[in-house]
Amino acid sequence: DGGITQSPKYLFRKEGQNVTLSCEQNLNHDAMYWYRQDPGQGLRLIYYSQIVNDFQKGDIAEGYSVSREKKESFPLTVTSAQKNPTAFYLCASSDRGLNSNQPQHFGDGTRLSIL
Amino acid sequence: RKEVEQDPGPFNVPEGATVAFNCTYSNSASQSFFWYRQDCRKEPKLLMSVYSSGNEDGRFTAQLNRASQYISLLIRDSKLSDSATYLCVVNVARGSTLGRLYFGRGTQLTVWP
Repeated sequence: DGGITQSPKYLFRKEGQNVTLSCEQNLNHDAMYWYRQDPGQGLRLIYYSQIVNDFQKGDIAEGYSVSREKKESFPLTVTSAQKNPTAFYLCASSDRGLNSNQPQHFGDGTRLSIL
Repeated sequence: RKEVEQDPGPFNVPEGATVAFNCTYSNSASQSFFWYRQDCRKEPKLLMSVYSSGNEDGRFTAQLNRASQYISLLIRDSKLSDSATYLCVVNVARGSTLGRLYFGRGTQLTVWP
């Protein structure tokens, strides 16, 4: 089955710890995105990548880092600099990037909490 | 001003009712429009794209009014399974830079028996 796989489903972070959220897609999509959703809020863009080895900051990139070494994979690291990391993190992908009319498709998310 | 504004609801309707959600967007450079559905504690899923001429998919009808920068979603004959949060999503192009998606906060719908 084609789709987007995020792992883990639940993650707990200790103070001062970096954690990495995995996102893998087998849809052969060029573009991948990371969003954060807080309760009662809309999705906010953290980082996005149009092609391998290239990525751009979104609206709330501080305290996060990404890499795009393979087309299929776009891991997100939540660093210790992110002081309020508790949220629902969603990875998405789309065909032909943001300047097309193609919708984005989402993984089933990772819930991150602070211990 | 937010890029996408939605009435958060909640909308509580009986089964079989017709319900309409509205959404406004602020940027006239918006290129494409979508409605997503999000169930509680789940990821958003594409419900339908919204085309300039309006489009229908079964019980769901989406309309776009570019002049008023307004999008709507109509659900007819509501089912219990329609209970969810409906997200209005807009793709905004900015000159020579790539466009990006903006998400509304969502409108919560509960359909009761």
